[in-house]
Amino acid sequence: AQSVTQLDSQVPVFEEAPVELRCNYSSSVSVYLFWYVQYPNQGLQLLLKYLSGSTLVKGINGFEAEFNKSQTSFHLRKPSVHISDTAEYFCAVNPAGGTSYGKLTFGQGTILTVHP
Amino acid sequence: KAGVTQTPRYLIKTRGQQVTLSCSPISGHRSVSWYQQTPGQGLQFLFEYFSETQRNKGNFPGRFSGRQFSNSRSEMNVSTLELGDSALYLCASSLELAGGNTQYFGPGTRLTVL
Repeated sequence: AQSVTQLDSQVPVFEEAPVELRCNYSSSVSVYLFWYVQYPNQGLQLLLKYLSGSTLVKGINGFEAEFNKSQTSFHLRKPSVHISDTAEYFCAVNPAGGTSYGKLTFGQGTILTVHP
Repeated sequence: KAGVTQTPRYLIKTRGQQVTLSCSPISGHRSVSWYQQTPGQGLQFLFEYFSETQRNKGNFPGRFSGRQFSNSRSEMNVSTLELGDSALYLCASSLELAGGNTQYFGPGTRLTVL
């Protein structure tokens, strides 16, 4: 079984400041890692994902994340945030083996609020 | 290409009733997953369908069921509704049944049980 912990439930930040949203996971097998964003009254949109290879993954809207296997972490970063980045962000994992192909296990979410 | 569509977008039901939610995946996608999102429990996996067969099921009671049709459209059904079933139900589609595939989410159906 897998579990995901997002260490901050809310992160306030000023516009143009850098931000890091933290995610740790627990799994007995290798996993694929994802970050999704959810804007109010909408579904989830994929920001980026890590499958294998380079541990630094670049996604849409200027976001990037680094996979750290030893620390079982997958933190999301953006060097300069905009008001439009205000949303809820979810970290998720999917087991790399077995048959749970479509099962994403999500963290509890981090609400990012960007202030002018 | 049109995204994942879910109907209806909003539903109000009373306890004891049953409800059916519909999901149309992105054209060409054959895998459909369902999730329940609540403020208390967050996002929880309900089930996944591929080629009209349920491939995975989450930890939900038997009142929650689903099916997939030959055109990959999917429905989920909740019988004997309880107040705790009030949630946003999200459907996601992906191209194939493979780990690491991107799941594309619909806007969800918000179910309120009174």
